[in-house]
Amino acid sequence: KAGVTQTPRYLIKTRGQQVTLSCSPISGHRSVSWYQQTPGQGLQFLFEYFSETQRNKGNFPGRFSGRQFSNSRSEMNVSTLELGDSALYLCASKAGVNTEAFFGQGTRLTVV
Amino acid sequence: GENVEQHPSTLSVQEGDSAVIKCTYSDSASNYFPWYKQELGKGPQLIIDIRSNVGEKKDQRIAVTLNKTAKHFSLHITETQPEDSAVYFCAASVAGKSTFGDGTTLTVKP
Repeated sequence: KAGVTQTPRYLIKTRGQQVTLSCSPISGHRSVSWYQQTPGQGLQFLFEYFSETQRNKGNFPGRFSGRQFSNSRSEMNVSTLELGDSALYLCASKAGVNTEAFFGQGTRLTVV
Repeated sequence: GENVEQHPSTLSVQEGDSAVIKCTYSDSASNYFPWYKQELGKGPQLIIDIRSNVGEKKDQRIAVTLNKTAKHFSLHITETQPEDSAVYFCAASVAGKSTFGDGTTLTVKP
């Protein structure tokens, strides 16, 4: 069974640009969550999608958005990038509400 | 919202010793408590979890205890090995939303 796949693995962007990250969950998992991981702030919850609907949302500005497609694949978008957005963005898929989350390897975003 | 505090932030033990990491949470509605291990360059991986209707769970060298009244839960690793060296995260979850602790960097010295 294939794991959670995130693309790209590494990304360098300039301040003010926008970026789209992709996540393919484990087959059969309908829940996809996104997290931002930084050395200073740890793992911060961004949002969760289930069956194409945003079910939960963390405390991030509106520049951070996401969506989920009918095949459960998810994308997150960050517009008007700031230096502070540099982080590892992790995607996790789950089979149910309070079940094990399977994480991808993450996308390392660097904003210069 | 939920707040999870994790201690200690760093922990160094000798191979064969035990390691204990503690977390407290604030939202009494939280009912699922997973622990994750993250190795360098990888995403977190679940090592053990516990639900609010259980007080203790064990899996070989790893155990987790939960005190719902005090709102704290702990990870216990016995007979530590160098390959246990990693960052460990606790989390408290309710209705599918997980709040993570800040992580504990465990170093096991051979």
